[in-house]
Amino acid sequence: QPQLQEAGPRLVKPSETLSLTCTVSGDSIITSNHYWGWLRQPPGKGLEWIGSIIYAGTTFYNPSLKGRVSISVDTSKNQFSLKLSSVTAADTAVYYCAREGRIVVLKYFFDYWGQGSLVTVSS
Amino acid sequence: QSALTQPASVSGSPGQSITISCTGTNSDLGSYDYVSWYQQHPGKAPKVMIYDVSKRPSGVSNRFSGSKSANTASLTISGLQAEDEADYYCSSYSTSSSWVFGGGTKLTVL
Repeated sequence: QPQLQEAGPRLVKPSETLSLTCTVSGDSIITSNHYWGWLRQPPGKGLEWIGSIIYAGTTFYNPSLKGRVSISVDTSKNQFSLKLSSVTAADTAVYYCAREGRIVVLKYFFDYWGQGSLVTVSS
Repeated sequence: QSALTQPASVSGSPGQSITISCTGTNSDLGSYDYVSWYQQHPGKAPKVMIYDVSKRPSGVSNRFSGSKSANTASLTISGLQAEDEADYYCSSYSTSSSWVFGGGTKLTVL
């Protein structure tokens, strides 16, 4: 079964860009026909979807973050990545990568998740 | 897009049943039957317990069930067990091709 693992800096300065990568094992980003998403959870708060991408590059983003967020995929490494620009303390959260199955495989939920990575925005 | 509305907390004794509500709008719960529920234990990643309103993934206990009427979805847990104590989140696909989540409900097993 798929396993997802987030990686990236745990501390980011205000106004800079947060960058995370999710490495997928046990599944192929290319052949699985799933979308691959990023979600986040501020400490003590609820979940927020950030955006999702499929291997061909089609992306969907949360309208509230559009303009600051970019998700890309590297099929050669079976990875996908998140960039969130102009961060503030409000972007401090546990960031999760997860698999979802919209449109193609018609599985409208997130079935596999990474363990999460706490990213703190602070000077 | 607004978050779905859930009660902040619910509680029940072992063996009892509880229901968690999730209220949305015509743009999410009212437009799609793509409602899912996630269980999250402290420090862990969420786990899907219900999808497509009322379907259970393989391995999830049949004590968990879901339903929906108009813009409100519900998760019912019957025969409460200590291990059910966790945070529960509802989620829905929306007309903007986005996912919207509820604020979460803390379930306490007394």
